[in-house]
Amino acid sequence: QSVLTQPPSVSGAPGQRVTISCTGSSSNIGAGYDVHWYQQLPGTAPKVLIYGNRNRPSGVSDRFSGSRSGTSASLAITGLQAEDEADYYCQSYDNSLSGSVFGGGTKLTVL
Amino acid sequence: EVQLVESGGGLVQPGRSLRLSCAVSGFIFDDYAMHWVRQAPGKGPEWVSGISWNSYKIAYADSVKGRFTISRDNAKNSLHLQMNSLSAEDTALYYCTKGSLAAVDFNWFDPWGQGTLVTVSS
Repeated sequence: QSVLTQPPSVSGAPGQRVTISCTGSSSNIGAGYDVHWYQQLPGTAPKVLIYGNRNRPSGVSDRFSGSRSGTSASLAITGLQAEDEADYYCQSYDNSLSGSVFGGGTKLTVL
Repeated sequence: EVQLVESGGGLVQPGRSLRLSCAVSGFIFDDYAMHWVRQAPGKGPEWVSGISWNSYKIAYADSVKGRFTISRDNAKNSLHLQMNSLSAEDTALYYCTKGSLAAVDFNWFDPWGQGTLVTVSS
């Protein structure tokens, strides 16, 4: 059971918009700690997609956006493309565990 | 180009030890915290341990506290993880990753190495 809760799967047709939620608690997201998002393509290491809730590293498409509110955060992907099919993970800091925590991951399927 | 190359993984019996290493290049190593993150087969990533730029602050996940020891050698641009009393639950791909800050807390992780596989089995 992950400290941060994500839906196991989401799907959408090419060109559509999907969102992935990440629900935490008062000891992590609700405490104001930043949320970061990673994309993991099959057979590769995770790659940071969004850092500090809503910031994109250089080279990451502006089709990806992040937000945080209360004890939750969301990753939105617009204009879905086949290459977006991957696993997505949220990550934050937890002060009761005194360390970083990840969500269980969401598998995105492009129909 | 930033590179993180892990080594030291392998097949080990329950209760035995293993030492992982990570060779780093392409950035000023002692400007950043470093971390180990593992991923069991078919599961999501799990943060294992982190060490501040100067080794003054070290943190561990509860699942490895007392069994694993992280260390770094800034002169050699290397990161290590000594793993003792291994069990089947430690079976995973272990990634070395650069923290976003010099301090060990509140980091995001970028980039990640390719990982080294640790399999604990009799």
